[in-house]
Amino acid sequence: QKEVEQDPGPLSVPEGAIVSLNCTYSNSAFQYFMWYRQYSRKGPELLMYTYSSGNKEDGRFTAQVDKSSKYISLFIRDSQPSDSATYLCAMSDHDYKLSFGAGTTVTVRA
Amino acid sequence: NAGVMQNPRHLVRRRGQEARLRCSPMKGHSHVYWYRQLPEEGLKFMVYLQKENIIDESGMPKERFSAEFPKEGPSILRIQQVVRGDSAAYFCASSPQSGLSGNTIYFGEGSWLTVV
Repeated sequence: QKEVEQDPGPLSVPEGAIVSLNCTYSNSAFQYFMWYRQYSRKGPELLMYTYSSGNKEDGRFTAQVDKSSKYISLFIRDSQPSDSATYLCAMSDHDYKLSFGAGTTVTVRA
Repeated sequence: NAGVMQNPRHLVRRRGQEARLRCSPMKGHSHVYWYRQLPEEGLKFMVYLQKENIIDESGMPKERFSAEFPKEGPSILRIQQVVRGDSAAYFCASSPQSGLSGNTIYFGEGSWLTVV
């Protein structure tokens, strides 16, 4: 079993729809949770950073962490074609070593 | 991604050659990390360095791979005698401090290595 599981998709939604992404994990020591966006042949770009459980909102993006279920989510409201990318979840315990999901490829259709 | 500079962006090597990937961290960052992304897989941690020190190389293959971060100049990831399985994207990241409490790790644009 992988330490971090993420549905690879692909996920295709119409413009304006809500995009829902999620990851599950097995290591209960994880307490730092991140979502990155990666365009084709580019580096990961940090979108959201959350410590421990709870919700965090930033513009059209909402990140949720449920440590009791070992489950994290990212929601993108009012999706735009420019949101088409691969979304990576990442997590860590107290140190520097990030564990990544394999990424979900999202296409927002105009 | 602004600030973490990687070069070359694309590199083609024949089997048996050496590949050298360079990374300059963001200004003010003294902690450097290398990750590898194989096709259809997530990024995997390789090594964590501070100036002149390797802190954690637990993700590095035991042979052919080495990394350094000298007092002056960029961090270097070196792959000797490359094989086709080394074809991947190699990402460098940096942070101002070790650990994630209160800070985050920022990635560069990556170096895509193709071994033919």
